[in-house]
Amino acid sequence: AQKITQTQPGMFVQEKEAVTLDCTYDTSDQSYGLFWYKQPSSGEMIFLIYQGSYDEQNATEGRYSLNFQKARKSANLVISASQLGDSAMYFCAMREDYTSGTYKYIFGTGTRLKVLA
Amino acid sequence: DTGVSQNPRHKITKRGQNVTFRCDPISEHNRLYWYRQTLGQGPEFLTYFQNEAQLEKSRLLSDRFSAERPKGSFSTLEIQRTEQGDSAMYLCASSFNPDTQYFGPGTRLTVL
Repeated sequence: AQKITQTQPGMFVQEKEAVTLDCTYDTSDQSYGLFWYKQPSSGEMIFLIYQGSYDEQNATEGRYSLNFQKARKSANLVISASQLGDSAMYFCAMREDYTSGTYKYIFGTGTRLKVLA
Repeated sequence: DTGVSQNPRHKITKRGQNVTFRCDPISEHNRLYWYRQTLGQGPEFLTYFQNEAQLEKSRLLSDRFSAERPKGSFSTLEIQRTEQGDSAMYLCASSFNPDTQYFGPGTRLTVL
């Protein structure tokens, strides 16, 4: 069954340092998408970055980059130069693409990141 | 504000009552999604609309749950005969393409 695994329930990082949040996925599909979202304490889910299964380059969005290793089925999020405002819950998600043209999304259990001053 | 909006933001109800939530997506987005999130968990997919057509439904969406998007714009999620296990945050998201979803602030449901 399709699944997203985030093995780090909580992480600490010093301000201005880089941090990697782990995500592995399990799918037998060839076509899928991988996402990272940030959920601050306010509760709203904020889209950070997307990687398509056929994309050869790792996705980058500002201080966020997605380390996509297809053979290992991992899609780790790297946050460079951490800021206090990065403290939040981070969710990895996968989009399953069906041959019918429809799709649905599966989320991991999240990693709570705390940035220390 | 042109983001996704959800109403109400909070709902407290007694077990057995019916509740209805509304989601207004970003205006040009033709795709709309409903999720449920319980404490300490990631969002769980419930259902997905493309325009007014409901294309996917999770097995989580029991017979007590129904969602509509009658004119391809706003959507409603109704829960009939609520149970305490329905207590959760109900999230709505919308997108123009499958690569990016924009989430609303959610409706927090508490069933007493």
